[in-house]
Order: sequence, then structure tokens, then C-alpha cells
Amino acid sequence: GAVVSQHPSRVICKSGTSVKIECRSLDFQATTMFWYRQFPKQSLMLMATSNEGSKATYEQGVEKDKFLINHASLTLSTLTVTSAHPEDSSFYICSAWTTLGTDTQYFGPGTRLTVL
Amino acid sequence: QQQVKQSPQSLIVQKGGISIINCAYENTAFDYFPWYQQFPGKGPALLIAIRPDVSEKKEGRFTISFNKSAKQFSLHIMDSQPGDSATYFCAASKEGSQGNLIFGKGTKLSVKP
Repeated sequence: GAVVSQHPSRVICKSGTSVKIECRSLDFQATTMFWYRQFPKQSLMLMATSNEGSKATYEQGVEKDKFLINHASLTLSTLTVTSAHPEDSSFYICSAWTTLGTDTQYFGPGTRLTVL
Repeated sequence: QQQVKQSPQSLIVQKGGISIINCAYENTAFDYFPWYQQFPGKGPALLIAIRPDVSEKKEGRFTISFNKSAKQFSLHIMDSQPGDSATYFCAASKEGSQGNLIFGKGTKLSVKP
């Protein structure tokens, strides 16, 4: 139980294009999903908190117009990196929070974004 | 201000040995303390978690020790195996935060055969 999937697992795109990453909770409903960014050998940096049916809450320093988050249903949240640039290359990880059982976040496998 | 401090940054242990990773927190409102294991190129996976009403929790070879008065908690990996080689993150959250976790900086564990 408590499986979170992400798609795609890897994406390479040209500078200036937009990339959409999907995060799905497969066997539970998640009212809250989180998006993280992780640089090599570093901890997870929270980018935004996404609640189903409402606007995402972004952390300080994260450009909301660049990183568009949509949480359209209790099992799906998407992160769109708009007009991507090489400095946006990173490992993006989503997580879903559930109060069922352990009341914790379950993480997706991550998406490696490379912007050329 | 770093709310959750994790040490050491890296750890090398011989196969069969005990791996110990420590975390300290500042906010006394924290009431949930999970540990996550992350392999390269993968997302973090929940390993074990504890709440302040108990001082120790054990699941297989993994044990969390919790010291509320010292505001510290630690992960012990008994009989460490090469397959345990990964990065471990401690975290903390408080009730009402919708699961918002504050992470430590991580510990890279290498278990030598």
C-alpha cells in the first residue's frame, strides 16, 4: 500500500520548452501533495505544498509562475516547469500525505530533468 | 535556522557492525519523527517512525531511540549489510502541519563487505 508514482522518470528537453511531471497516489487518496527539488548529495528542498482543488502554497524563493502546480484530483498532482533553462536541471520528487495508518508522506521515485 | 540537525554527514561501517545516525531538533511542537532511506536516483522510502510517547521503536534490524528531554533521536541499524548502503534522512513534523516534514541534511552510509 501507499504507492506513489511519478512520470516521466527521466526527461531531457531543450532550453525554453516546458515540461510536465505527473505525480499519482495509486492506492490512496491524498488531500495534500508536496513537491521537492534535490540537488546532488543534498537534502530535499521543499518547493510547494499542493492541496486538492486549491492553489499551491510555494516556499520562499520558488517562482510560482515558473513552477506551475495543479492538484486536480485526490490522486493526481502535476508540476510544470515552464520555459526551462539549464539551471532548472535537477531531481524533482513528489510526495503524498495520508492520515491513514502512519500519517506520513510517501514519496514518488523522482524525475530527473535535464535541460540542454 | 536549521530546525533538524543530522550527524554524521557520512558514515563507513563494516558488514555486521552497528550504524548509528543522530538527529537533534529545536521545535518542541514536533510530534512525529520519521526516518527515510534513499538510494541513488530513487525517491526516499519511509523506513521507520516514532512519536514522543515512546522512547524506542524497533522494526527488524532498525531501531529508533528517542530522548524527549534532550530533543534528540537516533537511528540504529544492527548487523549492517552492504545493501543498507544509502543516504538516510531524519525528519520531523508537527500536528496540524498537514504532514509538512522538516528534513535533516542526510547521512551517506557505506557498509563495507
